[in-house]
Amino acid sequence: KAGVTQTPRYLIKTRGQQVTLSCSPISGHRSVSWYQQTPGQGLQFLFEYFSETQRNKGNFPGRFSGRQFSNSRSEMNVSTLELGDSALYLCASSLNRGGFSYEQYFGPGTRLTVT
Amino acid sequence: GENVEQHPSTLSVQEGDSAVIKCTYSDSASNYFPWYKQELGKRPQLIIDIRSNVGEKKDQRIAVTLNKTAKHFSLHITETQPEDSAVYFCAASSGGTSYGKLTFGQGTILTVHP
Repeated sequence: KAGVTQTPRYLIKTRGQQVTLSCSPISGHRSVSWYQQTPGQGLQFLFEYFSETQRNKGNFPGRFSGRQFSNSRSEMNVSTLELGDSALYLCASSLNRGGFSYEQYFGPGTRLTVT
Repeated sequence: GENVEQHPSTLSVQEGDSAVIKCTYSDSASNYFPWYKQELGKRPQLIIDIRSNVGEKKDQRIAVTLNKTAKHFSLHITETQPEDSAVYFCAASSGGTSYGKLTFGQGTILTVHP
């Protein structure tokens, strides 16, 4: 099976702009989780979508949002970008049908730089 | 919410030695504990995981142990090789309404010297 893919791989944006990142999960996986990775804060959970519904949300401001489509592909959006939003954004896909946690498989990430 | 502490932050070993990385978690409801390896510029890669109904799991040179009472779990790598050099992350998930949420430790930079 093809792995998790993310586009674009690299982005440079200016403060105040907005950005949309895309994630395509492994075929058959209906859960997509998003994480932010920075040297200072490590890997932090943003949110998780399952069957087009946001099931969990981390402690990030409302500028961070996401959605999931009927084919399980997911997008995340960051509005009014700040310098501190510069990070590697990773998505992970999982079966996570319910009942217990399943393995999460990560995509290659999108490196966002805000100037 | 869940909090995961990971130690040590850096670990340097000679090729062939064993390496042990330890994590503690705070939420007693956590029931799934994966370990990821991340090489420089690459994605985190799942290397082993354990569920709360199991005390130990082994996969070739890698093993993970879980002590639910003490709320800690450890990664053991035996006969280390230079290609084991990477950042290792532990994580915890509590299931329930948090199936898709992993809380990560801060990471351990493992360096294996030839």
